[in-house]
Amino acid sequence: KAGVTQTPRYLIKTRGQQVTLSCSPISGHRSVSWYQQTPGQGLQFLFEYFSETQRNKGNFPGRFSGRQFSNSRSEMNVSTLELGDSALYLCASSLPATASYEQYFGPGTRLTVT
Amino acid sequence: AQSVTQLDSQVPVFEEAPVELRCNYSSSVSVYLFWYVQYPNQGLQLLLKYLSGSTLVKGINGFEAEFNKSQTSFHLRKPSVHISDTAEYFCAVSGLTGGGNKLTFGTGTQLKVEL
Repeated sequence: KAGVTQTPRYLIKTRGQQVTLSCSPISGHRSVSWYQQTPGQGLQFLFEYFSETQRNKGNFPGRFSGRQFSNSRSEMNVSTLELGDSALYLCASSLPATASYEQYFGPGTRLTVT
Repeated sequence: AQSVTQLDSQVPVFEEAPVELRCNYSSSVSVYLFWYVQYPNQGLQLLLKYLSGSTLVKGINGFEAEFNKSQTSFHLRKPSVHISDTAEYFCAVSGLTGGGNKLTFGTGTQLKVEL
């Protein structure tokens, strides 16, 4: 099976712009979660989508949003970018909520805000 | 609320020596525990997981971890490390709180294997 894919892998944006990141989960996985990784804050949960519905949300401002499509692919959007949004954004997919809660991660999108 | 503490930010070790990376968690509900590894410029790869049952869990690449409920710990061990094990290791917890998948990660331990 193909793994989780994320596009683009690298992105450079300017403060105030907006950005959209894409994630394609492993075939058959219906849950997609997003995480932000920075040197200062580490790995932080952004949100999770399942069957096109946001099921769980972390403590991020409303500038961070996401959605999931009927084929389980997901996008996250960050509006009005700030320098502090520079980070590695990781997407993870898993089967429907099962006892294992095992998540498989993509390679990430490295976002640099200048 | 759940939290994970990885006390060691860096662990240097010589090749073929044993290593232990420490992880302690805090949770008011039953949890599932995971160890992930991250190589430079890559995503996270699952090493092993504890769901229930035997407290000694074996994972990939010769790693194992022991769940200790009384000490709320889930330390990762490998009897003999290799240069290729140099990477950052993250302990994570997931719990049955309100449904959904949400991993809470520790701050990571950088394992540096030296010749």
